[in-house]
Amino acid sequence: QVQLVQSAAEVQKPGASVKVSCKASGYTFTNYYIHWVRQAPGQGLEWMAIVNPTDSVTRYAQNFQGRVTMTRDMSTSTVYMELTNLRSDDTAVYYCARDPGYSYGYNYFDYWGQGTLVSVSS
Amino acid sequence: DIQMTQSPSSLSASVGDRVTITCRASQTITSFVNWYQHKPGKAPKLLIHAASYLQSGVPSRFSGSGSGTFFTLTISSLQPEDFATYYCQQTHTAPPYTFGPGTRVEIK
Repeated sequence: QVQLVQSAAEVQKPGASVKVSCKASGYTFTNYYIHWVRQAPGQGLEWMAIVNPTDSVTRYAQNFQGRVTMTRDMSTSTVYMELTNLRSDDTAVYYCARDPGYSYGYNYFDYWGQGTLVSVSS
Repeated sequence: DIQMTQSPSSLSASVGDRVTITCRASQTITSFVNWYQHKPGKAPKLLIHAASYLQSGVPSRFSGSGSGTFFTLTISSLQPEDFATYYCQQTHTAPPYTFGPGTRVEIK
């Protein structure tokens, strides 16, 4: 079955960086985009980034340009999201999500990771 | 960027009620709208894609409609497990793959 398994919760200090992983299984890794979405406490869902696992091309939301980097490791079917220069308002649950748009031509997020809580506090 | 708005921001309803949530886009997005259900402590769940296509495994009491700039999500008979926050998302002009602000459905 399709699974996206994310890394464990992290606590970081302001100014530090965090790298969250998302390991995919149960499907052909290169046939689906992977996105990162976050939810800060009391807030809604915020789209952050997308990677094409086939060619590693990435696109980022304007709000995170210069601070976020998505990478992928095809040998382990794992996608990584690194966020740098962390601020207290980066405290949130970060989700990865699969998107069949690469093959289907229509984008939607059909499977999600379990979420990773990143807490930023001094 | 395309902006998405939802109404109401929250609602109270009883089990068995018919519930409709609306979503508006700041410009036409044809049928490029998805709907998600999100419960606290859980990952969001895809309900509807392409405005009206029910995701596999989602109960048929959920339905979506609309095109252009106006979309609706309807729950025909609210069940206890449906109390959650619902988000629309546009994928017409992306990135960004913009979500609406959410509609919280609470128990009356």
